[in-house]
Parts: sequence; C-alpha cells; structure tokens
Amino acid sequence: GAVVSQHPSWVICKSGTSVKIECRSLDFQATTMFWYRQFPKQSLMLMATSNEGSKATYEQGVEKDKFLINHASLTLSTLTVTSAHPEDSSFYICSARDRLAGGLVPYEQYFGPGTRLTVT
Amino acid sequence: EDQVTQSPEALRLQEGESSSLNCSYTVSGLRGLFWYRQDPGKGPEFLFTLYSAGEEKEKERLKATLTKKESFLHITAPKPEDSATYLCAVQNFGNEKLTFGTGTRLTIIP
Repeated sequence: GAVVSQHPSWVICKSGTSVKIECRSLDFQATTMFWYRQFPKQSLMLMATSNEGSKATYEQGVEKDKFLINHASLTLSTLTVTSAHPEDSSFYICSARDRLAGGLVPYEQYFGPGTRLTVT
Repeated sequence: EDQVTQSPEALRLQEGESSSLNCSYTVSGLRGLFWYRQDPGKGPEFLFTLYSAGEEKEKERLKATLTKKESFLHITAPKPEDSATYLCAVQNFGNEKLTFGTGTRLTIIP
C-alpha cells in the first residue's frame, strides 16, 4: 500500500522550454501533495504544498510563476517548470499524504521515485 | 524554526558490525519524527514514525528510538544491502511539513 508514482523518471529539455512532471497516488487518495527538490548529496528542500482543488502554497524563495503546481484530483498533482534554465536541473520528488490521516497523529508522507531533470 | 541535525555524516561498517545513527531535533511541538531510507537516484522509502518519548519501533535489522531531544536508528548485524542514506525528519503540530536533516550515508562493507 501507499504507492506514489512519478512520470517521467527522467527528462532532458532545452533551455527556455517547459516541462511537466506528474505525481500520482496509486492506492490511496491524497488531499495534500508536496513537491521537493534535491541537489546532489544534499537533503530534500520543500518547494510547495499542493492541496486538491486549491492553490498551492510555495516556500519562501520559490518562484510560483516558474514552478506551476496543479492538484486537480485526489490522486494527481503536476509540477510544470516553465522557461527552464540549466540552474533548474535537479532531482524533483513528490510526496503524498493519505486523506484519511488526521487528528493528532503524525501525518506520514509517502514519496515517489523522483524525476531527474536536465536542462541543456 | 524547526531544526534537525544528523550524525555522523557518513559511516562505513563491516558486515555484521552493529552501530547507531543519531538525529537531534528542536521543534516547537512534535507531532512526529520520521525515518526514511534513500537509495541513490530514488525517492525516500518510509521506515518508521515515532511521536512519543520512550517509543521504540523495529523492522528487521533496524530499531528506532525516541527521546525528547533526539532519535537513534540502531542497525544490528548489517548487511551490504542496508547501504543507503538514512534521513530523519520532524513534523510539528502547526502544519504538515517535514523538516529533514542532511542524512547519514551508510556503507556496509562485505
């Protein structure tokens, strides 16, 4: 249980183009999904929190117009990197929280396998 | 601001040599502390959730413990397949965000 998928697993694009990454919860419904970025040998940095049917909440320093997030259903969130530049090259990972989790208990997050983006 | 510090940064052990990884944390109100395993080029894999001081959880060769200031991940008689980066994260009652440490890169030598 608690499986999260991402597509594509890797992508190479040219500078100035846009890239869309999909994150799906396969066996549970996710009210909330999270998008992280990870540079080599560094830990995960939260970029934004995505709630189904509402606008995403971005962390300080993350450009909302550059990283467009859409959470259209309880099982799908997408991250679009617009006008990509080489400095956007990174490992992007999503996670999801089961909608049934709540109250005072910890909210476990289940992670996808990640998407390696290379901008040339 | 929530903070998580993991030590050591890297650890090399012989197969069968037991050891512990440390996660020290400061958080305004701990909802939960999480341990994840991450293999190179992959997303983190959930291992444990702890939320009460004194709590312990076990899974195969791993045991996680929690105090009010830190958590330990004990690995008993490790095997080469236990080689990975182990991440610790905390969540406070204010929101659902996870604050991650920088991880411990564990290498088990056959």
